[in-house]
Amino acid sequence: QQPVQSPQAVILREGEDAVINCSSSKALYSVHWYRQKHGEAPVFLMILLKGGEQKGHDKISASFNEKKQQSSLYLTASQLSYSGTYFCGTEIGDDKIIFGKGTRLHILP
Amino acid sequence: GAVVSQHPSWVICKSGTSVKIECRSLDFQATTMFWYRQFPKQSLMLMATSNEGSKATYEQGVEKDKFLINHASLTLSTLTVTSAHPEDSSFYICSARDGGGGYTFGSGTRLTVV
Repeated sequence: QQPVQSPQAVILREGEDAVINCSSSKALYSVHWYRQKHGEAPVFLMILLKGGEQKGHDKISASFNEKKQQSSLYLTASQLSYSGTYFCGTEIGDDKIIFGKGTRLHILP
Repeated sequence: GAVVSQHPSWVICKSGTSVKIECRSLDFQATTMFWYRQFPKQSLMLMATSNEGSKATYEQGVEKDKFLINHASLTLSTLTVTSAHPEDSSFYICSARDGGGGYTFGSGTRLTVV
């Protein structure tokens, strides 16, 4: 049931774009995206509920495919502050969320 | 925005002792809170669901007698690690659904058992 994230790690230069994927063999009820900096708690980025949905704010956006089996997080013109580990999560009932293994993003100046 | 206050931020304890971690929702009521454990460079693993006014539900493989959870009010949940051992050293994080669709996490507690 754990969603599968890829890639495991990404190194970019400031200003470059990144895409992080989250997939499942079964349709997901929802997809949550979080960013966690080292030693800190995860911070909520966004939630997608509907197949075909796309949303975003500033230069971070995400999509959820029609079959609700894949979501992608897009980071455009990355900034140093985007560094961290990104987790996707999905609800599995009773409001519980399980998370993917994470994607470590490192932005170089 | 919604805030979940978690204390302490870090704790070092001797093997065999118990440690209590508190999570409070500051500006919203949380009838349910979730407790996660995270080992270095790994994902967040759901340990248990804390339910106000009723027993907590534990995920498979989590010892309920070792990780005692109490949800005494609509804003407070506690996790007590009993008879802690070095292998219990980890980062413990609580979270609650904040009404905006997402989940707000506490700041985490780094437990080191020596």
